[in-house]
Amino acid sequence: ETGVTQSPTHLIKTRGQQVTLRCSSQSGHNTVSWYQQALGQGPQFIFQYYREEENGRGNFPPRFSGLQFPNYSSELNVNALELDDSALYLCASSFPGQGQGIATQYFGPGTRLTVL
Amino acid sequence: LAKTTQPISMDSYEGQEVNITCSHNNIATNDYITWYQQFPSQGPRFIIQGYKTKVTNEVASLFIPADRKSSTLSLPRVSLSDTAVYYCLVGLSGGSYIPTFGRGTSLIVHP
Repeated sequence: ETGVTQSPTHLIKTRGQQVTLRCSSQSGHNTVSWYQQALGQGPQFIFQYYREEENGRGNFPPRFSGLQFPNYSSELNVNALELDDSALYLCASSFPGQGQGIATQYFGPGTRLTVL
Repeated sequence: LAKTTQPISMDSYEGQEVNITCSHNNIATNDYITWYQQFPSQGPRFIIQGYKTKVTNEVASLFIPADRKSSTLSLPRVSLSDTAVYYCLVGLSGGSYIPTFGRGTSLIVHP
């Protein structure tokens, strides 16, 4: 069973540029969630995709957008980068409805984005 | 969404039992309680989940009192490798759940 993978591991961009981060979900998982984690803070929910449709969104501006593909992999796109976008971006996959309780989120290692 | 409150940090020593309590006063009837562990520069990792009373797995135990307004994660005989940030999450069972992480509890285990 392959776990959640993310690419790239690290990325440096300048203010105003655009960035695309990629995530491959764990085998069999149809839901992907993206989080932003600033230094010393907990992960902040950006949005979630379920079967290629956005299924919930946190308090992030429209310049944060995403896609989920038929194989359930996903992309996070951020336009017009700002200095405050520097953070660890985490992707998590899950399979809602599998048993009782909240579906376990399986996180990838993250992409460290630095905006200069 | 139920808000959670945890201690910001805790210290312990190898071999001790560590209990981290999370307050969630406005937990809803259908909400479950989930705990995650995160090491530096890694994604969080699921530890345990429960609804009421006590849940135990190979890693930890979760104690939930009858009013469910708090929960306690218990780590038996911690080691240095248990040094991490621990997050308590409260949310609805089912597909439409938006996980909300707080700042978590930073646990430092000393030799």
